Amino acid sequence: KNQVEQSPQSLIILEGKNCTLQCNYTVSPFSNLRWYKQDTGRGPVSLTIMTFSENTKSNGRYTATLDADTKQSSLHITASQLSDSASYICVVSRGDYKLSFGAGTTVTVRA
Amino acid sequence: GAVVSQHPSWVICKSGTSVKIECRSLDFQATTMFWYRQFPKQSLMLMATSNEGSKATYEQGVEKDKFLINHASLTLSTLTVTSAHPEDSSFYICSVKSSGTGIGQPQHFGDGTRLSIL
Repeated sequence: KNQVEQSPQSLIILEGKNCTLQCNYTVSPFSNLRWYKQDTGRGPVSLTIMTFSENTKSNGRYTATLDADTKQSSLHITASQLSDSASYICVVSRGDYKLSFGAGTTVTVRA
Repeated sequence: GAVVSQHPSWVICKSGTSVKIECRSLDFQATTMFWYRQFPKQSLMLMATSNEGSKATYEQGVEKDKFLINHASLTLSTLTVTSAHPEDSSFYICSVKSSGTGIGQPQHFGDGTRLSIL
């Protein structure tokens, strides 16, 4: 079954601190893995996309890693800001534009 | 700027009403659009794939007569929830497949429509 598991379900961090979100998947075949940020009441916005051959990609303070062998990915947020409070969704594509979504990790950044 | 525009952003209506949601691709022509539903604290679930000029492809368990999809032009797809009931209350999101080629192209999501059926 094509599944995407994210952890933790939620976390609270202080402004300025770093955090790491995890994503494990069993999706096959694998085309690419995406991390999206979804603000409350809004649609998801793409942060990073990684294909099989890529094991790290950065977008500002967001750095995603991918280990295709162990089928694990992480999203690291550096020097968190209040605006980082959102749900972060790990999405795996099978290459046919069928996407498997994780349930997301809700990040709350507090001053 | 926004690549996908979704309208309305929020709808509250009585049970039995039919509700139409529009999804517009602003930056490019989209032969394929996707409709998702998201319940609170859950991940997005694909409902159907909307194909311009042809019938939509529905996922298993999604009633095509309940959720009517029309993709009449390359920039507009509509989802009509017919005879909506409280259990249809959800967050509906559309997305557009990027016009680029290659396996690393993102999907662009609309800002969603929150549907509340009383």
